[in-house]
Amino acid sequence: GAVVSQHPSWVICKSGTSVKIECRSLDFQATTMFWYRQFPKQSLMLMATSNEGSKATYEQGVEKDKFLINHASLTLSTLTVTSAHPEDSSFYICSATLSSYNEQFFGPGTRLTVL
Amino acid sequence: DAKTTQPPSMDCAEGRAANLPCNHSTISGNEYVYWYRQIHSQGPQYIIHGLKNNETNEMASLIITEDRKSSTLILPHATLRDTAVYYCIVRVHPVMDSSYKLIFGSGTRLLVRP
Repeated sequence: GAVVSQHPSWVICKSGTSVKIECRSLDFQATTMFWYRQFPKQSLMLMATSNEGSKATYEQGVEKDKFLINHASLTLSTLTVTSAHPEDSSFYICSATLSSYNEQFFGPGTRLTVL
Repeated sequence: DAKTTQPPSMDCAEGRAANLPCNHSTISGNEYVYWYRQIHSQGPQYIIHGLKNNETNEMASLIITEDRKSSTLILPHATLRDTAVYYCIVRVHPVMDSSYKLIFGSGTRLLVRP
């Protein structure tokens, strides 16, 4: 299957700082990328859908000013958690798809810990 | 909300077949059934998907009932490395949008015993 990478794999930051997470499709051009969040012992929750060159579509209850998503190219999407707080500590996972008729390929995830 | 229901946990012996059920009684005619699995602290891994016919690949088989209201994922010879959370997902196409969303439910935690 296609390969999706995330960077960093884990990050620890102080409360109030901003953290950027990168998601890259390594061997294909992703028209759409998705961002998920997963708390311990819970399932994945979709945060937003990102199409290259357009604004992300956020799921209900997800603050777009808190979680900034940029999808500037067909191989890169970034998620910035602004003014992070301890409750933002979570496992953030991205996925990418070539088209709506293809399966999503997931990245390995980024574990964010806010102190 | 997820459109599927799965048992929270199952176990099977190594080398035996693992049969994971999924109910999706409200599935629409053009919606596919997808299966992913997530090994601890990793991103989900695609396993298989289908519309109405049974499907098989190198990882698993997918059996979909004729009325499409339920399906079963079969791992023919489970190994210890198959221990994971298995998610059955109905693929949703948002209106006026060519992309699609995967809405994850709670999944089934499969434990393969030595």
